Amino acid sequence: GEDVEQSLFLSVREGDSSVINCTYTDSSSTYLYWYKQEPGAGLQLLTYIFSNMDMKQDQRLTVLLNKKDKHLSLRIADTQTGDSAIYFCAESPNNAGNMLTFGGGTRLMVKP
Amino acid sequence: ETGVTQTPRHLVMGMTNKKSLKCEQHLGHNAMYWYKQSAKKPLELMFVYSLEERVENNSVPSRFSPECPNSSHLFLHLHTLQPEDSALYLCASSQHPGESPLHFGNGTRLTVT
Repeated sequence: GEDVEQSLFLSVREGDSSVINCTYTDSSSTYLYWYKQEPGAGLQLLTYIFSNMDMKQDQRLTVLLNKKDKHLSLRIADTQTGDSAIYFCAESPNNAGNMLTFGGGTRLMVKP
Repeated sequence: ETGVTQTPRHLVMGMTNKKSLKCEQHLGHNAMYWYKQSAKKPLELMFVYSLEERVENNSVPSRFSPECPNSSHLFLHLHTLQPEDSALYLCASSQHPGESPLHFGNGTRLTVT
């Protein structure tokens, strides 16, 4: 079946850029997503990219997709302490509609 | 008012209890979902409902029983649970099953003693 892998933990200093990486195995993925989960809360959609795109930028967020290597990254510019959270990568295969496969999440810690 | 509301936020129950989790969405969506989030495991899709009909059931034990009386409400009835069922249960909705993105509630933190 599909598999989505992420590193467990990332620590950065406030003001630096954060890069969270994700790899997936399903080559038929249509959409790839980044969700953010703050403590005690559900998942909040941050951004998504369609599989025919290489890059998408939205304010401080930049998503890069390398479809050949099945690698997705989320770059957060000027990281703030409020960005501390768990970030989940997810993919939606062509033939499964909205049935997302989530990675295990990367915990981002931002030090002041 | 948030788009997807879950109650209660926290629930502690014994293995012989029966309880229900409730989810309500105010987004006019047609599809609703239950996910389970356990420590050290990826999010697990449990159930999917589209227009009040169940379209997906990912081999979930029968001690979890979903109910979708209308497109705005989703319940998860719990009975005879095990301690390993302790987790965060997240409800989500989307416009249609074939359309993303998912909108999540804040979850119910369930502890089975």
